[in-house]
Amino acid sequence: DSGVTQTPKHLITATGQRVTLRCSPRSGDLSVYWYQQSLDQGLQFLIQYYNGEERAKGNILERFSAQQFPDLHSELNLSSLELGDSALYFCASSVSGVGTEAFFGQGTRLTVV
Amino acid sequence: AQSVTQLDSQVPVFEEAPVELRCNYSSSVSVYLFWYVQYPNQGLQLLLKYLSGSTLVKGINGFEAEFNKSQTSFHLRKPSVHISDTAEYFCAVSERDSWGKLQFGAGTQVVVTP
Repeated sequence: DSGVTQTPKHLITATGQRVTLRCSPRSGDLSVYWYQQSLDQGLQFLIQYYNGEERAKGNILERFSAQQFPDLHSELNLSSLELGDSALYFCASSVSGVGTEAFFGQGTRLTVV
Repeated sequence: AQSVTQLDSQVPVFEEAPVELRCNYSSSVSVYLFWYVQYPNQGLQLLLKYLSGSTLVKGINGFEAEFNKSQTSFHLRKPSVHISDTAEYFCAVSERDSWGKLQFGAGTQVVVTP
């Protein structure tokens, strides 16, 4: 158990819909990262927050957004969903981000039908 | 921009045989290097990391890796594999000024057979 909790574990939704994925980082970790894992793109970095502020952005679509709340949990919002958004979405956390290892959650498997 | 290349997409290996998974990276700045393992239907677990110091790094489950700066490589090795080592292995790079975001390779699927 990495200490990073992601909910829900599975999500099936229709095209055009909006979903929210939730992540609770390890106790004491200030950095939260979101990654997408798909068969065609592999593991891609989406976005990072540190202590409530956005720190780095990857190839995140405009239809996707995220935030980190004062209690340090984070949410990834995916809207206007398309079939190609079906993937495994991972959250990871680390103490600070610089030179520290990231611990990954079990992921949320999103299936868009 | 950085990139990570895992040279083998799949590596079949017999139980108790050694295995080496190859990883090469490119970056214009100094990097930290990681190997993660993903078991079926699981998240990623850190096997080992290179931050600085000795270029030979030992990790969990008997794995080790060697950082070679001149060849920009970070190959992972295990002298004797078990059936339970069947999993996907990812090499990852983090640039030192990047706040820890990871660039992953495409992964190497290791299949251990008796």
